[in-house]
Amino acid sequence: ETGVTQTPRHLVMGMTNKKSLKCEQHLGHNAMYWYKQSAKKPLELMFVYNFKEQTENNSVPSRFSPECPNSSHLFLHLHTLQPEDSALYLCASSQDGVNTEAFFGQGTRLTVV
Amino acid sequence: AQTVTQSQPEMSVQEAETVTLSCTYDTSESDYYLFWYKQPPSRQMILVIRQEAYKQQNATENRFSVNFQKAAKSFSLKISDSQLGDAAMYFCAYRSVEEGGSQGNLIFGKGTKLSVKP
Repeated sequence: ETGVTQTPRHLVMGMTNKKSLKCEQHLGHNAMYWYKQSAKKPLELMFVYNFKEQTENNSVPSRFSPECPNSSHLFLHLHTLQPEDSALYLCASSQDGVNTEAFFGQGTRLTVV
Repeated sequence: AQTVTQSQPEMSVQEAETVTLSCTYDTSESDYYLFWYKQPPSRQMILVIRQEAYKQQNATENRFSVNFQKAAKSFSLKISDSQLGDAAMYFCAYRSVEEGGSQGNLIFGKGTKLSVKP
Protein backbone atom coordinates (compact mmCIF):
# COMPACT_ATOMS: atom_id res chain seq x y z
CA GLU A 1 0.00 0.00 0.00
CA THR A 2 1.63 3.21 -1.12
CA GLY A 3 -0.70 5.74 0.38
CA VAL A 4 -2.14 6.82 -2.97
CA THR A 5 -4.91 4.63 -4.30
CA GLN A 6 -6.43 4.87 -7.75
CA THR A 7 -9.56 3.18 -9.01
CA PRO A 8 -10.29 1.55 -11.32
CA ARG A 9 -7.01 -0.02 -12.38
CA HIS A 10 -8.30 -0.64 -15.88
CA LEU A 11 -11.09 1.04 -17.82
CA VAL A 12 -12.41 0.52 -21.31
CA MET A 13 -14.95 3.06 -22.51
CA GLY A 14 -16.66 4.06 -25.69
CA MET A 15 -16.36 7.54 -27.11
CA THR A 16 -19.87 8.44 -26.01
CA ASN A 17 -19.53 7.16 -22.45
CA LYS A 18 -19.08 9.14 -19.26
CA LYS A 19 -16.81 7.73 -16.60
CA SER A 20 -14.77 8.96 -13.66
CA LEU A 21 -11.35 8.10 -12.31
CA LYS A 22 -10.84 8.29 -8.58
CA CYS A 23 -7.74 8.99 -6.54
CA GLU A 24 -7.44 8.92 -2.77
CA GLN A 25 -4.40 9.72 -0.69
CA HIS A 26 -3.93 8.72 2.93
CA LEU A 27 -0.75 10.70 3.52
CA GLY A 28 -2.11 14.01 4.73
CA HIS A 29 -0.73 15.83 1.70
CA ASN A 30 -2.14 19.12 0.52
CA ALA A 31 -1.34 18.93 -3.19
CA MET A 32 -2.68 16.45 -5.72
CA TYR A 33 -1.92 15.98 -9.40
CA TRP A 34 -3.18 14.23 -12.51
CA TYR A 35 -0.60 13.06 -15.05
CA LYS A 36 -1.10 11.40 -18.42
CA GLN A 37 1.44 8.78 -19.46
CA SER A 38 1.44 7.80 -23.13
CA ALA A 39 3.83 5.43 -24.82
CA LYS A 40 7.18 6.99 -25.77
CA LYS A 41 6.21 10.42 -24.44
CA PRO A 42 7.12 12.20 -21.23
CA LEU A 43 4.59 12.23 -18.46
CA GLU A 44 2.28 15.14 -19.07
CA LEU A 45 1.03 17.15 -16.15
CA MET A 46 -2.69 17.76 -16.58
CA PHE A 47 -4.01 19.34 -13.40
CA VAL A 48 -2.71 20.51 -10.04
CA TYR A 49 -4.70 21.12 -6.89
CA ASN A 50 -3.32 22.82 -3.80
CA PHE A 51 -5.55 22.86 -0.76
CA LYS A 52 -8.48 21.82 -2.98
CA GLU A 53 -7.96 24.75 -5.33
CA GLN A 54 -6.92 24.18 -8.91
CA THR A 55 -3.65 25.96 -9.49
CA GLU A 56 -2.75 24.62 -12.90
CA ASN A 57 -4.52 23.40 -16.00
CA ASN A 58 -2.07 22.58 -18.76
CA SER A 59 -4.34 23.30 -21.72
CA VAL A 60 -6.22 20.09 -21.17
CA PRO A 61 -9.30 19.60 -23.38
CA SER A 62 -12.62 20.18 -21.68
CA ARG A 63 -13.59 16.53 -22.13
CA PHE A 64 -11.40 16.03 -19.06
CA SER A 65 -12.92 17.61 -15.97
CA PRO A 66 -11.16 17.41 -12.58
CA GLU A 67 -12.81 17.63 -9.21
CA CYS A 68 -11.19 17.91 -5.81
CA PRO A 69 -13.86 17.84 -3.08
CA ASN A 70 -11.27 17.73 -0.29
CA SER A 71 -7.53 17.44 0.07
CA SER A 72 -7.67 13.63 0.20
CA HIS A 73 -9.73 12.95 -2.91
CA LEU A 74 -9.29 13.78 -6.55
CA PHE A 75 -11.48 12.81 -9.46
CA LEU A 76 -11.08 13.01 -13.21
CA HIS A 77 -14.41 13.01 -15.01
CA LEU A 78 -14.29 11.81 -18.60
CA HIS A 79 -16.81 12.29 -21.39
CA THR A 80 -16.79 12.02 -25.17
CA LEU A 81 -13.17 10.95 -25.22
CA GLN A 82 -11.14 10.18 -28.34
CA PRO A 83 -9.04 7.08 -29.05
CA GLU A 84 -5.88 9.18 -28.65
CA ASP A 85 -6.86 9.75 -25.04
CA SER A 86 -6.03 6.11 -24.35
CA ALA A 87 -3.16 6.17 -21.86
CA LEU A 88 -2.13 5.50 -18.28
CA TYR A 89 -3.50 8.17 -15.97
CA LEU A 90 -1.45 8.68 -12.85
CA CYS A 91 -2.46 10.48 -9.71
CA ALA A 92 0.13 11.87 -7.34
CA SER A 93 0.21 13.81 -4.11
CA SER A 94 2.80 15.80 -2.22
CA GLN A 95 3.13 17.93 0.83
CA ASP A 96 3.63 21.63 0.28
CA GLY A 97 7.27 22.36 -0.35
CA VAL A 98 9.31 21.74 -3.45
CA ASN A 99 11.89 19.54 -1.81
CA THR A 100 9.33 16.92 -1.00
CA GLU A 101 8.80 13.98 -3.24
CA ALA A 102 5.56 13.22 -5.03
CA PHE A 103 3.90 9.92 -4.21
CA PHE A 104 2.15 8.20 -7.06
CA GLY A 105 -0.75 5.83 -7.37
CA GLN A 106 -0.60 2.75 -9.60
CA GLY A 107 -2.55 4.46 -12.31
CA THR A 108 -5.63 3.72 -14.35
CA ARG A 109 -5.05 2.15 -17.74
CA LEU A 110 -7.66 3.78 -19.96
CA THR A 111 -8.62 2.46 -23.36
CA VAL A 112 -11.05 4.43 -25.49
CA VAL A 113 -12.73 2.40 -28.21
CA ALA B 1 10.17 26.44 -20.05
CA GLN B 2 12.21 23.65 -18.57
CA THR B 3 12.81 20.42 -20.44
CA VAL B 4 14.25 17.06 -19.44
CA THR B 5 15.93 14.74 -21.93
CA GLN B 6 16.75 11.09 -21.51
CA SER B 7 18.64 10.01 -24.59
CA GLN B 8 18.66 6.27 -23.89
CA PRO B 9 15.25 4.68 -24.55
CA GLU B 10 16.56 1.30 -23.42
CA MET B 11 19.54 -0.01 -21.48
CA SER B 12 20.66 -3.44 -20.43
CA VAL B 13 22.97 -4.57 -17.65
CA GLN B 14 24.24 -7.86 -16.35
CA GLU B 15 23.26 -8.76 -12.82
CA ALA B 16 25.85 -7.50 -10.27
CA GLU B 17 27.31 -5.08 -12.80
CA THR B 18 27.08 -1.28 -12.84
CA VAL B 19 25.00 0.78 -15.22
CA THR B 20 24.65 4.53 -15.74
CA LEU B 21 21.49 6.19 -17.03
CA SER B 22 21.86 9.64 -18.51
CA CYS B 23 19.69 12.70 -18.11
CA THR B 24 20.14 16.26 -19.25
CA TYR B 25 17.89 19.20 -18.64
CA ASP B 26 17.46 22.74 -19.77
CA THR B 27 16.63 25.59 -17.42
CA SER B 28 17.48 29.21 -16.79
CA GLU B 29 16.85 28.83 -13.07
CA SER B 30 19.68 28.58 -10.57
CA ASP B 31 17.84 26.69 -7.87
CA TYR B 32 15.78 23.57 -8.43
CA TYR B 33 15.46 19.91 -7.50
CA LEU B 34 16.18 16.85 -9.58
CA PHE B 35 14.76 13.39 -9.05
CA TRP B 36 15.06 9.89 -10.40
CA TYR B 37 11.89 7.83 -10.26
CA LYS B 38 11.54 4.13 -10.94
CA GLN B 39 8.42 2.60 -12.49
CA PRO B 40 8.37 -1.20 -12.34
CA PRO B 41 5.82 -3.30 -14.25
CA SER B 42 3.39 -2.75 -11.39
CA ARG B 43 3.27 0.87 -12.69
CA GLN B 44 3.98 2.33 -9.25
CA MET B 45 6.27 5.33 -9.59
CA ILE B 46 8.76 5.21 -6.74
CA LEU B 47 11.33 7.83 -5.83
CA VAL B 48 14.87 6.50 -6.14
CA ILE B 49 16.97 9.53 -5.32
CA ARG B 50 16.78 13.32 -5.17
CA GLN B 51 19.36 16.09 -5.65
CA GLU B 52 19.14 19.71 -4.60
CA ALA B 53 20.79 21.98 -7.15
CA TYR B 54 22.50 24.19 -4.59
CA LYS B 55 24.28 21.20 -3.08
CA GLN B 56 27.50 20.29 -4.84
CA GLN B 57 27.76 16.90 -3.20
CA ASN B 58 26.27 14.10 -5.24
CA ALA B 59 23.36 12.31 -3.59
CA THR B 60 23.66 8.61 -2.79
CA GLU B 61 21.11 6.04 -1.64
CA ASN B 62 22.64 2.63 -1.05
CA ARG B 63 23.42 1.20 -4.51
CA PHE B 64 22.11 4.30 -6.28
CA SER B 65 24.16 7.43 -6.79
CA VAL B 66 24.04 10.42 -9.09
CA ASN B 67 26.62 12.41 -11.00
CA PHE B 68 25.27 15.95 -10.89
CA GLN B 69 27.06 18.37 -13.20
CA LYS B 70 25.26 21.67 -12.77
CA ALA B 71 27.20 23.62 -15.37
CA ALA B 72 26.62 20.92 -17.94
CA LYS B 73 23.00 20.47 -16.78
CA SER B 74 23.56 16.77 -16.47
CA PHE B 75 22.13 14.40 -13.88
CA SER B 76 23.04 10.76 -14.45
CA LEU B 77 22.04 7.83 -12.27
CA LYS B 78 24.49 5.06 -11.44
CA ILE B 79 23.19 1.73 -10.24
CA SER B 80 25.86 -0.46 -8.68
CA ASP B 81 25.61 -4.21 -8.13
CA SER B 82 22.49 -4.38 -10.30
CA GLN B 83 19.76 -6.72 -9.17
CA LEU B 84 16.90 -8.33 -11.06
CA GLY B 85 14.49 -6.15 -9.12
CA ASP B 86 16.07 -3.05 -10.60
CA ALA B 87 14.47 -3.82 -13.96
CA ALA B 88 12.02 -1.00 -14.61
CA MET B 89 11.45 2.28 -16.41
CA TYR B 90 13.53 5.06 -14.92
CA PHE B 91 12.40 8.65 -15.20
CA CYS B 92 14.43 11.75 -14.58
CA ALA B 93 12.41 14.70 -13.28
CA TYR B 94 12.92 18.39 -12.62
CA ARG B 95 11.14 20.53 -10.09
CA SER B 96 11.32 24.29 -10.01
CA VAL B 97 11.57 26.24 -6.77
CA GLU B 98 10.98 29.62 -8.36
CA GLU B 99 7.85 31.58 -7.55
CA GLY B 100 5.18 31.18 -10.13
CA GLY B 101 2.66 28.77 -11.48
CA SER B 102 5.13 25.95 -12.17
CA GLN B 103 6.65 25.91 -8.75
CA GLY B 104 6.56 22.43 -7.33
CA ASN B 105 5.39 20.70 -10.51
CA LEU B 106 7.48 17.81 -11.75
CA ILE B 107 8.69 17.81 -15.36
CA PHE B 108 9.63 14.35 -16.57
CA GLY B 109 11.83 12.93 -19.28
CA LYS B 110 10.62 10.17 -21.60
CA GLY B 111 12.20 7.48 -19.52
CA THR B 112 14.79 4.73 -19.95
CA LYS B 113 13.78 1.09 -19.86
CA LEU B 114 16.36 -0.88 -17.91
CA SER B 115 16.67 -4.63 -18.34
CA VAL B 116 18.75 -6.73 -15.97
CA LYS B 117 20.15 -10.00 -17.29
CA PRO B 118 20.72 -12.87 -14.88
